[in-house]
Amino acid sequence: AQKITQTQPGMFVQEKEAVTLDCTYDTSDPSYGLFWYKQPSSGEMIFLIYQGSYDQQNATEGRYSLNFQKARKSANLVISASQLGDSAMYFCAMREVFSGAGSYQLTFGKGTKLSVIP
Amino acid sequence: EPEVTQTPSHQVTQMGQEVILRCVPISNHLYFYWYRQILGQKVEFLVSFYNNEISEKSEIFDDQFSVERPDGSNFTLKIRSTKLEDSAMYFCATSGTLAKNIQYFGAGTRLSVL
Repeated sequence: AQKITQTQPGMFVQEKEAVTLDCTYDTSDPSYGLFWYKQPSSGEMIFLIYQGSYDQQNATEGRYSLNFQKARKSANLVISASQLGDSAMYFCAMREVFSGAGSYQLTFGKGTKLSVIP
Repeated sequence: EPEVTQTPSHQVTQMGQEVILRCVPISNHLYFYWYRQILGQKVEFLVSFYNNEISEKSEIFDDQFSVERPDGSNFTLKIRSTKLEDSAMYFCATSGTLAKNIQYFGAGTRLSVL
């Protein structure tokens, strides 16, 4: 079973508009973290935002906010006031706390390609 | 701003050759990871490393792969005998603490096996 599901392979948004990228996750671990990364065409992975499972407030970082709905197991990324430079692949990822070695590896979704239209 | 540095940015090698991919972590980070991304696919975990030993590895990380921290700063991934299917982008990631475990990624090494 997929641990991270991103159902939108591609999205278009008009410049200056807001856009929501969907992410649902599956875990039985009560303590976990959710992450969003941006991958421009140049290939690097850029950390955007983090949400812990016990955090009471939705995370925000500048134009990025995370709409965390724990009961629905969703962690959607909202980008406000889209810019041309936001065109990229966006990956949702989850970190679970494993017992024992506790490596805290990230499990990634397949990504959503966002295209911002001028 | 501190960053994870990976070298080389692109490595071309012949099948069967050994390659070493290098990573310089952010200076006070203690947790190190390698991930790979085959072209057009999602990022996959390979291995995690802490306190000079592997803490977890995936099924992908077979006997052909090894990691070490030879000099206390660099963190390397070695592929002993490359196969065509090893062609991918390899990312090093590092993290300072486990509390949030925000992993910062390097720009990646694109490995092309011919």
